[in-house]
Amino acid sequence: QVQLVESGGGVVQPGKSLRLSCAASGFTFPSYAMHWVRQAPGKGLEWVAVVSYDGTEKYYTDSVKGRFTISRDNSKNTVYLQMDSLRPDDTAVYHCAKDLWTWLLQFDSWGQGTLVTVSS
Amino acid sequence: IVLTQSPATLSLSPGERATLSCRASQSVISNVAWYQQKAGQAPRLLIDDASNRATGIPARFSGSGSGTDFSLTISSLEPEDFAVYYCQQRSNWPLTFGGGTKVEIK
Repeated sequence: QVQLVESGGGVVQPGKSLRLSCAASGFTFPSYAMHWVRQAPGKGLEWVAVVSYDGTEKYYTDSVKGRFTISRDNSKNTVYLQMDSLRPDDTAVYHCAKDLWTWLLQFDSWGQGTLVTVSS
Repeated sequence: IVLTQSPATLSLSPGERATLSCRASQSVISNVAWYQQKAGQAPRLLIDDASNRATGIPARFSGSGSGTDFSLTISSLEPEDFAVYYCQQRSNWPLTFGGGTKVEIK
């Protein structure tokens, strides 16, 4: 079955950087787009970024453009989220999510998430 | 595109019918998905493209709508259905979610 396991979260000061990883298994990873979706404590879901199956297309929500970079390594079945210039409002649980199809932009499997706390 | 879900909270008893609404600020054709999230868990896909039940989702869940108005109906609430439900559109960048509807036990 599909498994998505995020790692790399933690407490970081404003302005610093963090890199999240998501290890995938149970499906043909190179065939699917992959997403990051975050959820601030007690709040709703916010889509963050997507990378296409081959890594050539990337899109971001406006609030992270220029600060976050999504990437993938199909040889390692892993997707990454490099987060720079972190702000307190980036504090959230970050989930990676598998696209329902190659590029359908809906999410049929989710990881449990990794908590990022941005605080001085 | 802003998705507005209503009501924010729905208080119902097991066995009752639940109807959740999602309204888009502009047309999203039929490009809306619905997710269920229980406390402390990751979301689960229920419905894709407005009306297609995802794999393994019980038949009591159904979705409908097009354009700007969408609904998720749970025909008869089971105890495990009390959760928060989100709609999501894929018609325009950035992808967006609604604010959620909490279905709670009355």
